[in-house]
Amino acid sequence: SQELEQSPQSLIVQEGKNLTINCTSSKTLYGLYWYKQKYGEGLIFLMMLQKGGEEKSHEKITAKLDEKKQQSSLHITASQPSHAGIYLCGAPPGNAGNMLTFGGGTRLMVKP
Amino acid sequence: DGGITQSPKYLFRKEGQNVTLSCEQNLNHDAMYWYRQDPGQGLRLIYYSQIVNDFQKGDIAEGYSVSREKKESFPLTVTSAQKNPTAFYLCASSSSGGPYEQYFGPGTRLTVT
Repeated sequence: SQELEQSPQSLIVQEGKNLTINCTSSKTLYGLYWYKQKYGEGLIFLMMLQKGGEEKSHEKITAKLDEKKQQSSLHITASQPSHAGIYLCGAPPGNAGNMLTFGGGTRLMVKP
Repeated sequence: DGGITQSPKYLFRKEGQNVTLSCEQNLNHDAMYWYRQDPGQGLRLIYYSQIVNDFQKGDIAEGYSVSREKKESFPLTVTSAQKNPTAFYLCASSSSGGPYEQYFGPGTRLTVT
């Protein structure tokens, strides 16, 4: 079965600093979804990457998919306290269907 | 507004009691899912349903049961057979025809003592 490993598991950054979170798959990636979760709440969909080399941005968050490395990265520029939370990646286990396997999450704290 | 609702937000039960968690969606999605999240961990799939009156076990189905009598509703019952039921439970839904991003409810925190 597919496994997704996220690194780092937790991260504390000073407000204004850039940061990167990685999600590495044990198998071929057929797409990658990034979510954000505030503690005790549901997941909020951030971005979906479908093709190798694809890059998407939303406000100060950029995600890339490296198919060859079976990896995706999430980069936050000029972090703000509002970026704090848990970031989770999810990926379909095959090249069809709507099931997702999730990584263990990266807990981000942003110090003002 | 379209979305997914879960109720209640917090639930407390005594050991040995069955408890049912509610999940309703008005997104017209065919597929619905139940996940369990433990502290510091990712999501683990309990059950999923791709269509009304049909559902399949996920990775950790033991001690849980579901029903899918209506497209909008996918209740989860945590039975007394579940050895460690205290957790945060998340319900999600998605289109079955793509795109496949899953939309999540706010979650129910279940505490069993």
